[in-house]
Amino acid sequence: DTEVTQTPKHLVMGMTNKKSLKCEQHMGHRAMYWYKQKAKKPPELMFVYSYEKLSINESVPSRFSPECPNSSLLNLHLHALQPEDSALYLCASSRLAGRSSSYNEQFFGPGTRLTVL
Amino acid sequence: ILNVEQSPQSLHVQEGDSTNFTCSFPSSNFYALHWYRWETAKSPEALFVMTLNGDEKKKGRISATLNTKEGYSYLYIKGSQPEDSATYLCAFAPTGFQKLVFGTGTRLLVSP
Repeated sequence: DTEVTQTPKHLVMGMTNKKSLKCEQHMGHRAMYWYKQKAKKPPELMFVYSYEKLSINESVPSRFSPECPNSSLLNLHLHALQPEDSALYLCASSRLAGRSSSYNEQFFGPGTRLTVL
Repeated sequence: ILNVEQSPQSLHVQEGDSTNFTCSFPSSNFYALHWYRWETAKSPEALFVMTLNGDEKKKGRISATLNTKEGYSYLYIKGSQPEDSATYLCAFAPTGFQKLVFGTGTRLLVSP
């Protein structure tokens, strides 16, 4: 299984809602990533988990809260989002974690298209 | 701020044409350079990870070269096919950071 899955595919939420995005991989990868992509822009790194611990937070607002319950799962909890948070949220994983992870290709999920009303 | 630039932004070629794109990245603190292909409604898919100056990699009709001293990489597609239509992204990995900085991509359309 060389797939990264993400659910849901689409999500529409109000600014007062709480929702979660889910990402799963069963390749035994030790690093997992959340990216945000706005239209016509490159994917931007949000968070990196290495060995199930948060290793990088790219100064993401606290209304985004990541969680890694186990080595296969990565969640992104959303609360009190703003309309400008509407974007495609991509999850990825790589075999190695830490500095060596940059030598490894990343495997991406198809993304969750989030719309905040 | 790390700047990764790709050119051209978009490209429209005919089936059978060969084409190439450029990725420019900072020449200092280089660690690795990735290329990904992203077809519409699918997940980005890794093509190459390049680490050494002068590296050349090939996968079928697609190849890439790397010049870390001057900070650029070229991606070549020989005999383009309609199924090559996609956005091609490069991503720069700086030394000391467990992260990729993506370029804005080159959108390729191959017409039959």
